[in-house]
Amino acid sequence: GENVEQHPSTLSVQEGDSAVIKCTYSDSASNYFPWYKQELGKGPQLIIDIRSNVGEKKDQRIAVTLNKTAKHFSLHITETQPEDSAVYFCAASEGGSYIPTFGRGTSLIVHP
Amino acid sequence: KAGVTQTPRYLIKTRGQQVTLSCSPISGHRSVSWYQQTPGQGLQFLFEYFSETQRNKGNFPGRFSGRQFSNSRSEMNVSTLELGDSALYLCASSLAGSSYNSPLHFGNGTRLTVT
Repeated sequence: GENVEQHPSTLSVQEGDSAVIKCTYSDSASNYFPWYKQELGKGPQLIIDIRSNVGEKKDQRIAVTLNKTAKHFSLHITETQPEDSAVYFCAASEGGSYIPTFGRGTSLIVHP
Repeated sequence: KAGVTQTPRYLIKTRGQQVTLSCSPISGHRSVSWYQQTPGQGLQFLFEYFSETQRNKGNFPGRFSGRQFSNSRSEMNVSTLELGDSALYLCASSLAGSSYNSPLHFGNGTRLTVT
């Protein structure tokens, strides 16, 4: 089955800095890569996703890049703010599967 | 549109008891998945239901079971509770049908503590 590795497990930045979280996947058939943000006391919420026919996608301060050859994808957050502090999960869906495989999560801490 | 609703938010049970958790998906979503979240193991997939049928199942013992009703609402049951079952249980709904790879919409979870 699919295996998703996520790094780093913890990321501490100063407000205004950029943050990058990286994930690698094992199944070359995976074609859908969502990112979720989980705030304290809440369930994960989708923040951005990318499909395998696209190399990059942006939404205001967040962007995701995908390298299918190397089988890795990354989340980029620019101009970080304290409200960006949360746990971020990457995921990958195998072709034909309804169930995404999640990474172990990255705890992002943005210091004011 | 109302989000995914999970009840109750918190539960405290004793070893050996059983528990039932409830999930109401977003209106129109026919797929409901359940996940167990613990600090050490991250998000672990339990099972997924679509149109009242279990379509996918994770690697959990038979003590964990679920069902889905005709209105897409879902319940999961854990029998003979063990201390290791203490976790946040998350329900997620999606539009996944014949077209897969739809994003998941999570509820805020039920925090289960087994003593």
